Amino acid sequence: LAKTTQPISMDSYEGQEVNITCSHNNIATNDYITWYQQFPSQGPRFIIQGYKTKVTNEVASLFIPADRKSSTLSLPRVSLSDTAVYYCLVGDMNNYGQNFVFGPGTRLSVLP
Amino acid sequence: EAGVTQFPSHSVIEKGQTVTLRCDPISGHDNLYWYRRVMGKEIKFLLHFVKESKQDESGMPNNRFLAERTGGTYSTLKVQPAELEDSGVYFCASSQDRTGDSPLHFGNGTRLTVT
Repeated sequence: LAKTTQPISMDSYEGQEVNITCSHNNIATNDYITWYQQFPSQGPRFIIQGYKTKVTNEVASLFIPADRKSSTLSLPRVSLSDTAVYYCLVGDMNNYGQNFVFGPGTRLSVLP
Repeated sequence: EAGVTQFPSHSVIEKGQTVTLRCDPISGHDNLYWYRRVMGKEIKFLLHFVKESKQDESGMPNNRFLAERTGGTYSTLKVQPAELEDSGVYFCASSQDRTGDSPLHFGNGTRLTVT
């Protein structure tokens, strides 16, 4: 199972760009990198997913270097509502089961 | 499109009682997963259905837990008899297919408290 390591917590201010880096040194060839966001009393919500290079959608960007041993989730101009726990997961998208492992995540606090 | 819905949102039962959790996946999603987070721990996989078949139930903690998905639509997770350590939040998730561009969609979970 590809293990991930990410900071336990981060603080930011409204309007700033936030970058959360995740390490996954033993990522396998078939593994994708997926980020989820979770608010209290809600289930994890899909943010972005990628395999290599850069992926961008309407809410975030995901940067993946060539060796794929890490990835960085970039949230542009955060607001108070972005305060949440962010999970980095690595796994084979043919099986979201046992090899799709949630770690403790990064608790992002956005301050006014 | 309606998201993954779970019922009930909260359940408080006594040790030894039975509880049944229900999950309605997004319409058309063949893959349905159950996860749970017990107190102070991380979200853990329980099992995976493809349509009505159990694809992987290696995460089920013991035989007090029974999951079903009759007809390949909604799923139920029954805990019988419930123990104190079963307390936690049970999440259901679904996906359309098992490719890279079909992410998991989670419900908001059922918070189970066993007293």
